[in-house]
Amino acid sequence: DGGITQSPKYLFRKEGQNVTLSCEQNLNHDAMYWYRQDPGQGLRLIYYSQIVNDFQKGDIAEGYSVSREKKESFPLTVTSAQKNPTAFYLCASSIGGNQETQYFGPGTRLLVL
Amino acid sequence: GENVGLHLPTLSVQEGDNSIINCAYSNSASDYFIWYKQESGKGPQFIIDIRSNMDKRQGQRVTVLLNKTVKHLSLQIAATQPGDSAVYFCAEMSGSARQLTFGSGTQLTVLP
Repeated sequence: DGGITQSPKYLFRKEGQNVTLSCEQNLNHDAMYWYRQDPGQGLRLIYYSQIVNDFQKGDIAEGYSVSREKKESFPLTVTSAQKNPTAFYLCASSIGGNQETQYFGPGTRLLVL
Repeated sequence: GENVGLHLPTLSVQEGDNSIINCAYSNSASDYFIWYKQESGKGPQFIIDIRSNMDKRQGQRVTVLLNKTVKHLSLQIAATQPGDSAVYFCAEMSGSARQLTFGSGTQLTVLP
């Protein structure tokens, strides 16, 4: 069953704690993306990666970090520097090159204790 | 304090009627557009896309219209069904970075 998986579905963070959200895809896509969605709003780009071992900041990268050591995986760490982390986090991937259509995972909802 | 979310534009239609969801995009240089459907608590699902060299594209029960003159995009859903109830987002893409910029969405509610 091909697609994009995100885990966990719900994640709780204590103040001052770093947490990591998982995103895996078996679509053989080169490009991967992380978005944040707040209630009643559209998606905002946090980080993206066009190819393994390379990634770029999006519009709201402060307080977040990523790595892209494998083509299939693009984990997002929400650091303690992110003061308002409560949101719905969405991972997406696309074939890359001229194929721009992005396909999304099911999302992870991050809540602060 | 209380987190007050923004109120999305809403559209209510009777089951079986046609729906038209509108989107005004911001960048005249955008050359690729996508419509996504998002059900509550789920990730966005691709519906249909269109490039700027076209003004209309049809899929199964859906049609996207692009008017570059007024920077307007619309999604038409024929014979709307209860399963079509969701938030619909348009997204535009421009530039060499090929990043998507999303609109705030429209909540579609299908009435029985």
